[in-house]
Amino acid sequence: KAGVTQTPRYLIKTRGQQVTLSCSPISGHRSVSWYQQTPGQGLQFLFEYFSETQRNKGNFPGRFSGRQFSNSRSEMNVSTLELGDSALYLCASRKQGATDTQYFGPGTRLTVL
Amino acid sequence: EDQVTQSPEALRLQEGESSSLNCSYTVSGLRGLFWYRQDPGKGPEFLFTLYSAGEEKEKERLKATLTKKESFLHITAPKPEDSATYLCAVQGGAAGNKLTFGGGTRVLVKP
Repeated sequence: KAGVTQTPRYLIKTRGQQVTLSCSPISGHRSVSWYQQTPGQGLQFLFEYFSETQRNKGNFPGRFSGRQFSNSRSEMNVSTLELGDSALYLCASRKQGATDTQYFGPGTRLTVL
Repeated sequence: EDQVTQSPEALRLQEGESSSLNCSYTVSGLRGLFWYRQDPGKGPEFLFTLYSAGEEKEKERLKATLTKKESFLHITAPKPEDSATYLCAVQGGAAGNKLTFGGGTRVLVKP
């Protein structure tokens, strides 16, 4: 069974640009969550999508947004990139139950210059 | 707000030297406590889910336990391939389905 896939794996952007990251969940999983991981802040929750609706949002500015498609695939977008947005962006999927385990993808390493 | 603190931050072990990692948490209505392993440059790999105090789970050389305030990950007779960062996360009733993570414990097992 294929795991969570994320594309691209690596990205280099400059300040002010925008970026779109993609996540394909495990087959049959309907919920997708996004997390940001940095050395200073660790893993922080960005948002969760279920059935194409945002269910929950973390404490990030509005420059961070996302969406989910009918096939459960998800994208997140970061506009007007800042140096501090450099991080590993992780996507996690779960089936749908409230206590279902979240399984993580390999992440997208974003570097902002 | 849910909070998770892991200790120690780093742990150096000799192969075969057993040890324990601690995860202390405060959460409003614990729905689950999760342990993950993360290798450098990779996403977290799921290890265990614990739901209620007194619960224990084992997998190879790893054993996770849960009390009302903390969880322990015991590593028995570790091998160099157990070297990784171990992450603890909680899912609280008031926070939807988001996971709140601790800072992790970096474990290095030397042969």
